[in-house]
Parts: sequence; C-alpha cells; structure tokens
Amino acid sequence: EAGVVQSPRYKIIEKKQPVAFWCNPISGHNTLYWYLQNLGQGPELLIRYENEEAVDDSQLPKDRFSAERLKGVDSTLKIQPAELGDSAVYLCASSLVYGSRNEQFFGPGTRLTVL
Amino acid sequence: DQQVKQNSPSLSVQEGRISILNCDYTNSMFDYFLWYKKYPAEGPTFLISISSIKDKNEDGRFTVFLNKSAKHLSLHIVPSQPGDSAVYFCAASSTGTASKLTFGTGTRLQVTL
Repeated sequence: EAGVVQSPRYKIIEKKQPVAFWCNPISGHNTLYWYLQNLGQGPELLIRYENEEAVDDSQLPKDRFSAERLKGVDSTLKIQPAELGDSAVYLCASSLVYGSRNEQFFGPGTRLTVL
Repeated sequence: DQQVKQNSPSLSVQEGRISILNCDYTNSMFDYFLWYKKYPAEGPTFLISISSIKDKNEDGRFTVFLNKSAKHLSLHIVPSQPGDSAVYFCAASSTGTASKLTFGTGTRLQVTL
C-alpha cells in the first residue's frame, strides 16, 4: 500500500514569493491534515479536512496561507507571500476516520527554506 | 503554552540496555496518548498508543506506561537496538477531538554499540 505522498520534498524561495505544496493521502483515508514542524519542535496542526470540508483551520494564518482539498482526495497548501519565518517542514498526514482513534500516517514532508 | 512536554532533548543508551523516554502533559482532558518515531528526512511513524483507561500497553520490545495522577507517561524500549536511533515524539488527544493530536518537542535517542 502506498503511503502519503508529498511534493516537492525540498523548496527554496526568496521572501515574498508564493509557494505551494501538494499532498496525496493514502487511498480511502477521509481525513487529511497539514502540519508545520519547526526545527526542534513537534508537528503543529495547521488545518484538518474531513473529505472536502475543512473542519479545523483555527491555526492556519489565513492572511497568507490557504489550502484546498478538491474532490476530497489530494490537497494543496499555499503560502503567498512567503516570509523568512515560514522556513520549516510542512507535513501532510491522513487517517481513515475522523473523530476516531485511528492513527495518522505521515508523509515525508516538504522542507521549505525562505531566503 | 506547551501542553505536552518532553524535557529531555536527547538520550544515549548502549545497545541491549533499556531506553526510557519520558513525557508530561498538563491538559487533564487528554485521554489518549501516542508515541511516534521519526527518522531524518522521513515523516513520523506511529509506534504505540495507550488509552487513559489503561496504565500499561505492550507491543514487542516497546511498552508505554501511563500515570494519570502524575500526568506522566513513559516509553520503554527493551532491549535497545541501533535501529531504534531516531527522534521520538509523544502526542496526546482528547475525546471529542480524537483526531487532533498535540505533540511534544521530541527526544532524540541514540543507541550506541
């Protein structure tokens, strides 16, 4: 079974430029998560989707971050414009059923460097 | 406010010995706890979990202990192997927001030969 796929794996951009990350969850997983992981820290939830619906986006900085999950499968996370402080690893995860104790499966992440 | 704390950023253990990783939490609503393991350039992978109705859960070489009164949990790895060298994250969730995990800052375990 294929795991969570993310691309690109690495991205280097200059500040004020836009950037987008893509995630393909495990087939059949209804719930998709985007996390931010700063160096030396644990993952922090940015947004959580159940199918196409964003059920928790309270931690997403909506002035510059946006996300979508069209058709309830793949998802894209966008930053526009990027700031120096956005340099981090962006992790995507998926799980089978929202609200249950199902474990979350993580992708390898996209490491963003903003210069 | 760090609701899940891993106060030891790193731990070094000899191969064959026991590794004990600790985690403390402050939110009394947390009732489900998980440990994730992370290798460099990979995403975290689920290792073991425990519900608050239990005080111990065992899976092979890995055992998690929960002390609810102290709001403390620990992961024991016996015997430790070089392949266990990784960063270990403790995470917690509560009923009603079961999918929302709050992670600790991680402990880097190095198992030496």
